[in-house]
Amino acid sequence: KAGVTQTPRYLIKTRGQQVTLSCSPISGHRSVSWYQQTPGQGLQFLFEYFSETQRNKGNFPGRFSGRQFSNSRSEMNVSTLELGDSALYLCASSLAGDRSYNEQFFGPGTRLTVL
Amino acid sequence: KQEVTQIPAALSVPEGENLVLNCSFTDSAIYNLQWFRQDPGKGLTSLLLIQSSQREQTSGRLNASLDKSSGRSTLYIAASQPGDSATYLCAVMDSSYKLIFGSGTRLLVRP
Repeated sequence: KAGVTQTPRYLIKTRGQQVTLSCSPISGHRSVSWYQQTPGQGLQFLFEYFSETQRNKGNFPGRFSGRQFSNSRSEMNVSTLELGDSALYLCASSLAGDRSYNEQFFGPGTRLTVL
Repeated sequence: KQEVTQIPAALSVPEGENLVLNCSFTDSAIYNLQWFRQDPGKGLTSLLLIQSSQREQTSGRLNASLDKSSGRSTLYIAASQPGDSATYLCAVMDSSYKLIFGSGTRLLVRP
């Protein structure tokens, strides 16, 4: 079974631009979560999508948004990029039947650099 | 607010040693706890998941325990190998179904 895939793997953008990252979950997984990893803040939860609806949200500004498609693939968008948005963005998928037993499987990440 | 702490931040051991990584959390109202490893510049690999009603889980040379009442978990690695070198992260799923991560323990196993 193929794992979680993320595209692109690397991105370089300039301040003020916007960016879209893509995540394809493991086949059969219906929940997709996004995380930001930086050296200073560590791993932080951005949001979770399930059945094309945002089910959970972390403490990030509205510049960070996402969506999920009917095939469970998800995209994350960051508008008006700031230098501090430079990070590794990780996507995780899970079956999401019972959230209390939600083993999450992570993709390789997208490394975003904002210049 | 749930906080997760991992001690030590870094650890260097000779090959073959048994070792213990520690994880503590401030709020015992968790659904589960998951241990991951992360290789440099890569994503996370799930190692073990312990549900809140369980006390431990084992996979090969790895054993993780959970004491929810004291807010502690340990990851025991038996007979360490150089290939075990990585950063180990623990994460708890809190009462709002968010995964809260510790800052990790960077492990180096010397040949």
